[in-house]
Amino acid sequence: AQTVTQSQPEMSVQEAETVTLSCTYDTSENNYYLFWYKQPPSRQMILVIRQEAYKQQNATENRFSVNFQKAAKSFSLKISDSQLGDTAMYFCAFMKMKTSYDKVIFGPGTSLSVIP
Amino acid sequence: SQTIHQWPATLVQPVGSPLSLECTVEGTSNPNLYWYRQAAGRGLQLLFYSVGIGQISSEVPQNLSASRPQDRQFILSSKKLLLSDSGFYLCAWKRKGSTNEKLFFGSGTQLSVL
Repeated sequence: AQTVTQSQPEMSVQEAETVTLSCTYDTSENNYYLFWYKQPPSRQMILVIRQEAYKQQNATENRFSVNFQKAAKSFSLKISDSQLGDTAMYFCAFMKMKTSYDKVIFGPGTSLSVIP
Repeated sequence: SQTIHQWPATLVQPVGSPLSLECTVEGTSNPNLYWYRQAAGRGLQLLFYSVGIGQISSEVPQNLSASRPQDRQFILSSKKLLLSDSGFYLCAWKRKGSTNEKLFFGSGTQLSVL
């Protein structure tokens, strides 16, 4: 069974600084997706970034980028130029690729606070 | 465009009472549907997922059940609520076989069992 681990329950960062959130996962699959979702105080789940395991290039979305290390089963999220609106819970998630029963497994989350 | 509706937004129920949470998706057909629960300050626990009408997979044995009576309707139920059923319940959907794989979430239901 797949598992997702986020070892940092809480983190804080000064506004405009850079922060990296860690995520590791365990799977025997070769093809899969990895995601970072953000849950602000409104509790609405928002997709931040997505990575396909077959792509060696790390995904980027504006100020958000990932460091995907497939052999190490590591998928960290870097937030550059942190903004107050980045304050949220961040969840790492895993999904097998192209199967009929494609359940998405989430990690326990990291609570990020951006300090003015 | 696709939308997902989840209701009610908040619910306070006594222990032992029944539960019915409903989720509907518009603007797509034959989606995969999911129920997650988030305990206070915790991560998302997958409860049920469905790949089609009447097809339900349960991830966690408990007193909750799910049903999918229509293609875009997903219902979470309980005959008798427990205190431990309190939490934030999220419904989500995903396209099948899409090259742009991601989950779309509803706005959630905060359930308090007293």
